[in-house]
Amino acid sequence: EAGVAQSPRYKIIEKRQSVAFWCNPISGHATLYWYQQILGQGPKLLIQFQNNGVVDDSQLPKDRFSAERLKGVDSTLKIQPAKLEDSAVYLCASSLVGQFAEAFFGQGTRLTVV
Amino acid sequence: LAKTTQPISMDSYEGQEVNITCSHNNIATNDYITWYQQFPSQGPRFIIQGYKTKVTNEVASLFIPADRKSSTLSLPRVSLSDTAVYYCLVGLSGNTPLVFGKGTRLSVIA
Repeated sequence: EAGVAQSPRYKIIEKRQSVAFWCNPISGHATLYWYQQILGQGPKLLIQFQNNGVVDDSQLPKDRFSAERLKGVDSTLKIQPAKLEDSAVYLCASSLVGQFAEAFFGQGTRLTVV
Repeated sequence: LAKTTQPISMDSYEGQEVNITCSHNNIATNDYITWYQQFPSQGPRFIIQGYKTKVTNEVASLFIPADRKSSTLSLPRVSLSDTAVYYCLVGLSGNTPLVFGKGTRLSVIA
């Protein structure tokens, strides 16, 4: 089966610019996650969707980050305006809903803010 | 959410068995224990999941004692390609957020 697709793979922007990342989860997966992974650290959960609804966004910096999942399928994560400390890999993952669900991750988008 | 504690790093020679222990003292009754593996420049990959006793698949074994306050991931006869970061997660019941800690960086040496 096709995996989680993310684009772009790499992005370089100047601080204060805006950027958007796109994620297409595995077909049929109701749960979608966005993570931020800074070099040398574990992935940090930014937001979790189940279908269209937000399950958890407690660690999303809402003054500059936003995410949406239209029609419960694709999702976009936006940063506006970007700061130097936003340089990281942004990972998208999806899973079925349930106690035995395992999450499948995309390759990620490496963002560099200069 | 149950907090997990695991060693920051481990070294092993090729061909040895590696055991990585994770402590999760405040695990909830309905929580499962899940391990993920992450190679450089890739997203994490699910390895194994269990609730109690022992689970084995083609990649690893997971040992969980009766009190479930810890768990041990066992990798048999590691090779250089097993060099990665291994994460222990607790939860994944229903809508529990999938929260990663710092993980254990395993380095396999020839």
